[in-house]
Amino acid sequence: DADVTQTPRNRITKTGKRIMLECSQTKGHDRMYWYRQDPGLGLQLIYYSFDVKDINKGEISDGYSVSRQAQAKFSLSLESAIPNQTALYFCATSGGTGTGGPDTQYFGPGTRLTVL
Amino acid sequence: KQEVTQIPAALSVPEGENLVLNCSFTDSAIYNLQWFRQDPGKGLTSLLLIQSSQREQTSGRLNASLDKSSGRSTLYIAASQPGDSATYLCAVRPGGSYIPTFGRGTSLIVHP
Repeated sequence: DADVTQTPRNRITKTGKRIMLECSQTKGHDRMYWYRQDPGLGLQLIYYSFDVKDINKGEISDGYSVSRQAQAKFSLSLESAIPNQTALYFCATSGGTGTGGPDTQYFGPGTRLTVL
Repeated sequence: KQEVTQIPAALSVPEGENLVLNCSFTDSAIYNLQWFRQDPGKGLTSLLLIQSSQREQTSGRLNASLDKSSGRSTLYIAASQPGDSATYLCAVRPGGSYIPTFGRGTSLIVHP
């Protein structure tokens, strides 16, 4: 089973709808991140959390909110989706001393979101 | 603010060539540097992570080097194969922060 999972994997929605993207991890990491990827723009950080009681805005948090329900779960919400939020969304985790080395970052498979 | 640049943005080579992908960063006060592979529409897979105290890391046909003083890392791919076709990204984590800065990646095509 994958260490970092995301649901849904694909979502098509309409402008103005509220959308929630979910992320779960089994790596036991404290740190979790939400990124957005647009063609040609690389990865942009939306929000990050270093433990259940810690939530921080990233570089593009406007129009998004998050919830850290447990160490293993970190959800991203689009309160009122708009077309320019169409993108690929990734959840990532880091922490500990995994096989990749201290603080290796691990990514989920991504959610492709289309806002019409 | 840390800036990470990857050159070239795209690369197309015949199978069997040895490749060098470049990653440069503006602030040498880094904690580590990580190389990722991303297949189209997929998530990022970690390839190698180099701590600031290390000069290189190797995994199979991949070798990553780090030169902090010049703000550079290279990913060397030996004997390239069509299955190596993907986008390769580097991410630099600064000292004192858990937030990495990503480059925009190098899109690699290895044709038979």
